[in-house]
Amino acid sequence: SQQGEEDPQALSIQEGENATMNCSYKTSINNLQWYRQNSGRGLVHLILIRSNEREKHSGRLRVTLDTSKKSSSLLITASRAADTASYFCALRDFQKLVFGTGTRLLVSP
Amino acid sequence: EAQVTQNPRYLITVTGKKLTVTCSQNMNHEYMSWYRQDPGLGLRQIYYSMNVEVTDKGDVPEGYKVSRKEKRNFPLILESPSPNQTSLYFCASSFASGYEQYFGPGTRLTVT
Repeated sequence: SQQGEEDPQALSIQEGENATMNCSYKTSINNLQWYRQNSGRGLVHLILIRSNEREKHSGRLRVTLDTSKKSSSLLITASRAADTASYFCALRDFQKLVFGTGTRLLVSP
Repeated sequence: EAQVTQNPRYLITVTGKKLTVTCSQNMNHEYMSWYRQDPGLGLRQIYYSMNVEVTDKGDVPEGYKVSRKEKRNFPLILESPSPNQTSLYFCASSFASGYEQYFGPGTRLTVT
């Protein structure tokens, strides 16, 4: 089934630096979504990007989508300690939403 | 406030003792779903529901049941829990499949 693979699995940066994580997938998509999860809590939707869009912004977040390479990236600019969380991409597979295994981001003060 | 609620938040039980985890949403969403999250395996979908009385299996449905008698509620039933069902469970809802999902706070279940 359709599943995104996030890369890297873990990322450790200092406050103020940018964080980039990637999601690759295998088959064509209708849209791709990014979610954040703080430790042990429910996931929170960040951005949905449609297959006909190439870039989307939300505050300090920037998501790009390259359908020819079947990949998406999430960029967090000027990171803060509060950005420490796991980030997941999610792809629609018929009536289901399939999540990758996530990127764990640690932002140190 | 738009939200998805789950109860209980924490549950420790014994093998074979039937349990139900409730899920309720107040956003009039048609689509609801249950996931389990295990270390190294990410989120895996257990069951989903496209609307009232319409449910279907996700990727890991064995050992679970669901029902959707009302639009707002989507309980997860473990008829005979086993230790391999120890996990963190999330309920989620969305306007329709493929749209942004709203997640509940999670239920941490331990089966001994």
